[in-house]
Amino acid sequence: KNEVEQSPQNLTAQEGEFITINCSYSVGISALHWLQQHPGGGIVSLFMLSSGKKKHGRLIATINIQEKHSSLHITASHPRDSAVYICAVPNTGNQFYFGTGTSLTVIP
Amino acid sequence: NAGVTQTPKFQVLKTGQSMTLQCAQDMNHEYMSWYRQDPGMGLRLIHYSVGAGITDQGEVPNGYNVSRSTTEDFPLRLLSAAPSQTSVYFCASRDGTHSYFGPGTRLTVT
Repeated sequence: KNEVEQSPQNLTAQEGEFITINCSYSVGISALHWLQQHPGGGIVSLFMLSSGKKKHGRLIATINIQEKHSSLHITASHPRDSAVYICAVPNTGNQFYFGTGTSLTVIP
Repeated sequence: NAGVTQTPKFQVLKTGQSMTLQCAQDMNHEYMSWYRQDPGMGLRLIHYSVGAGITDQGEVPNGYNVSRSTTEDFPLRLLSAAPSQTSVYFCASRDGTHSYFGPGTRLTVT
């Protein structure tokens, strides 16, 4: 059983479309992280959030602690958004549970 | 700041060889960790450290050793490489808000 489940696994969108990636988790958490891994392999931390919503440019992350669910939205998607998006939640120690990622391809 | 640096970027080993993957960060972060990433499995924690002189095992520690003699450096040692250790390895450090990942080391064990 995975503590963190992401959906969809793969997503293809046309440029300009609104994109939603979902993350559900089964453990109690203090915060949730969204990471972005580019085709070259580098991983960047996008958001850490513990409640409500955060926005950075065209990226919006929301979390519902009661429902144990988070979403990552991309508005006006662009080919440079093509990447793998990974949801991660910390456990009670110092470790993370990672989702297996959502591979996003945005077509011009 | 250079952030988190890792060397080498690529490495090929023969079964039984040993090597050390280097990781350094210049952000004065106490928490550092090593992950491996395999297709379809996501990132898995190998070892982590919450400060100089303190290390602990993660989810998949077998076959790997770590040490943390300084805040900046957190090397990962493969004692006797096995084909099952073929993977991409990421080092990361963390502050209270974000995790910072190194560029990764692609290791192949033949």
